[in-house]
Amino acid sequence: SYVLTQPPSVSVAPGQTARITCGGNNIGSKSVHWYQQKPGQAPVLVVYDDSDRPSGIPERFSGSNSGNTATLTISRVEAGDEADYYCQVWDSSSDHLHVVFGGGTKLTVL
Amino acid sequence: QVQLQESGPGLVKPSQTLSLTCTVSGGSISSGGYYWSWIRQHPGKGLEWIGYIYYSGSTYYNPSLKSRVTISVDTSKNQFSLKLSSVTAADTAVYYCARVDSSGYMPRYFDYWGQGTLVTVSS
Repeated sequence: SYVLTQPPSVSVAPGQTARITCGGNNIGSKSVHWYQQKPGQAPVLVVYDDSDRPSGIPERFSGSNSGNTATLTISRVEAGDEADYYCQVWDSSSDHLHVVFGGGTKLTVL
Repeated sequence: QVQLQESGPGLVKPSQTLSLTCTVSGGSISSGGYYWSWIRQHPGKGLEWIGYIYYSGSTYYNPSLKSRVTISVDTSKNQFSLKLSSVTAADTAVYYCARVDSSGYMPRYFDYWGQGTLVTVSS
């Protein structure tokens, strides 16, 4: 089955840039979506189709995807960005179409 | 603005069937173009996809849960439901319902989520 690998944690100072990676075999051939989840809340879509932003999501959130790594980049990090972030793809291997989530990355704003 | 709301028992006994309903407002399940999905999150853990349904009744399930899961839709009530049979303590989790945007008939991303409901499996 397809596996997405995320670092468990990323720490960054306010105002700096955070980069959260999502590794998968030839992930560049898939569309990657990213979600932000704050404690006690439902996930929120922050980037879809590798690099598009839903309305209402700040331009500080951007994404890229190539080769075996997709990356969520958060520029000018704010305290309010502290959350868990999950990447997601659809996989059609094993004759099943199903969702795959990464294990999540906890972003800590120092 | 589309809104989703989960409802159902917060406590289920082992070996019984967990049943949850998601009520959709601000949009019609029957309008097409979207799938309707269940996702769960074990305490302190990551997200696990359970399955999804199209308004026509077509379903896809997580292979690891497929033998115990049934997702159904009631377009007259604008609701879809989850049944998970033979539950154990390992099924204790927050259960979310969510809308899946699609391109053609290909599912894409989860754009609207319910607030989630905690279901505890315990005697």
